[in-house]
Amino acid sequence: QVQLQESGPGLVKPSETLSLTCSVSGFSLSRGYYWGWVRQPPGKGLEWIGHIYYTGTTNYNPSLESRVTISVATSKTQFSLRLTSVTAADTAVYYCARWVGVQTFDSWGQGTTVTVSS
Amino acid sequence: DIQMTQSPSSLSASVGDRVTITCRASQGIINYLAWFQQRPGEAPRSLIYTASSLPSGVPSRFSGSGSGTNFTLTISSLQPEDFATYYCQQYNSYPFTFGPGTIVDIK
Repeated sequence: QVQLQESGPGLVKPSETLSLTCSVSGFSLSRGYYWGWVRQPPGKGLEWIGHIYYTGTTNYNPSLESRVTISVATSKTQFSLRLTSVTAADTAVYYCARWVGVQTFDSWGQGTTVTVSS
Repeated sequence: DIQMTQSPSSLSASVGDRVTITCRASQGIINYLAWFQQRPGEAPRSLIYTASSLPSGVPSRFSGSGSGTNFTLTISSLQPEDFATYYCQQYNSYPFTFGPGTIVDIK
């Protein structure tokens, strides 16, 4: 059974770069599917950030595309999120998730809270 | 982007009640519509995919219907563990978008 776990700093200063890692166990990324990120600002709804196929093909939300990079580690057991030039509006719980196509997001990490503040 | 709306934004119900939530897409999405349940402090959980299919392990009291732009999620007999927020999500085209959520709380 696949399990996902987010990790990274809980506090990032404005204008700096947010970096998160999702560690995947029970499934090798090189077996397929898309691996991505969804975020949820405090008290608000869900926003899809983007995802990556193990070959490196990416799709990003146009609202964030200029600031976002999602990549897969060579180990094929982790993938990461980089979000540059953050502001308070980027404060959110960030979830990593597996997207399996027709069955959409079938596995999620528990989420990690990132606060943007000086 | 395809905009998703949900109604109602919140509802109060009792254990055993039948509950229906509506989701509407700003343009046709065929049946690429999913429903997620999110309890406080937890990650979303998949309830329905392709508008009406249940993933393994989801109780049969949950059902979904619809196609095109109009969709519904029905809980036939509300259980204590069903008090949560429900989101619809379209995945017919990028960017994937979610509805604003429907809070189901205890009457």
